[in-house]
Amino acid sequence: AQSVTQPDARVTVSEGASLQLRCKYSYSGTPYLFWYVQYPRQGLQLLLKYYSGDPVVQGVNGFEAEFIKSNSSFHLRKASVHWSDSAVYFCAVSSNTGYQNFYFGKGTSLTVIP
Amino acid sequence: GPKVLQIPSHQIIDMGQMVTLNCDPVSNHLYFYWYKQILGQQMEFLVNFYNGKVMEKSKLFKDQFSVERPDGSYFTLKIQPTALEDSAVYFCASTFWGTTGQLYFGEGSKLTVL
Repeated sequence: AQSVTQPDARVTVSEGASLQLRCKYSYSGTPYLFWYVQYPRQGLQLLLKYYSGDPVVQGVNGFEAEFIKSNSSFHLRKASVHWSDSAVYFCAVSSNTGYQNFYFGKGTSLTVIP
Repeated sequence: GPKVLQIPSHQIIDMGQMVTLNCDPVSNHLYFYWYKQILGQQMEFLVNFYNGKVMEKSKLFKDQFSVERPDGSYFTLKIQPTALEDSAVYFCASTFWGTTGQLYFGEGSKLTVL
C-alpha cells in the first residue's frame, strides 16, 4: 500500500539556519514525489516535484529535495531559512500509471524563530 | 497561476443536516479530488473523480458522502446527514494530466457541525 511518513510533527529552527524536513515513502513501483507548503488558512501550494532524472530537484524560494531510491526518501532542504518559511510542509507521493492518486504525509509544522 | 475556488469558505450546521460543498476547479482540468483536514495537520484523501465517475475512495468516504459534477458545473461534495466527526476543513483539488500533473488546491471549506 502507498504511504508517506513524515517523522517530525514539529520542527523549530532559527532564522538563517539550514533546514531538512524528512520524508519517507512506501510505494510499489516508481513514484512521483512532491512537496507542498500550507500557510495558515490557505490551501496547499506546490514547492517542488520529482518525476525522473536528476535526483536533486530545485523548487521555489530556495528549497530543494533529493530523491534517494535506495532509502525510499525524499527529504526537503533549504540552506538558510527565513521567518516567512514558517508553515506546514507536506510530502506526497502519486502513481505514475493510470489515473493519478496522491497520498500525503501527516505534515511537518515548521517554526522559524527570528 | 491556476485557481481552484471553493464555496463556502465556512459553514456551520446542526448535526443531521445536509451540507453541500462546492468546488470550481481549474477550467481545463479533468481529475478532481476531495481531501479532509483536521486540526491543520493530516491531509486525508477522501475521493477522486474523473469522467463523471468516482475512481477511488477511502474508508473516510462514508455512505453519507457523495460527489458529482453535473454538466461541467461545480464539483460538489454532499454530506447527508452530517455527524459531529465531519467537522473539518475540506479541500478540493484538481489536475489536468492523469499521470504527471500536480494538484492545485482550493483554500478550503471549513465545516463545523454542532
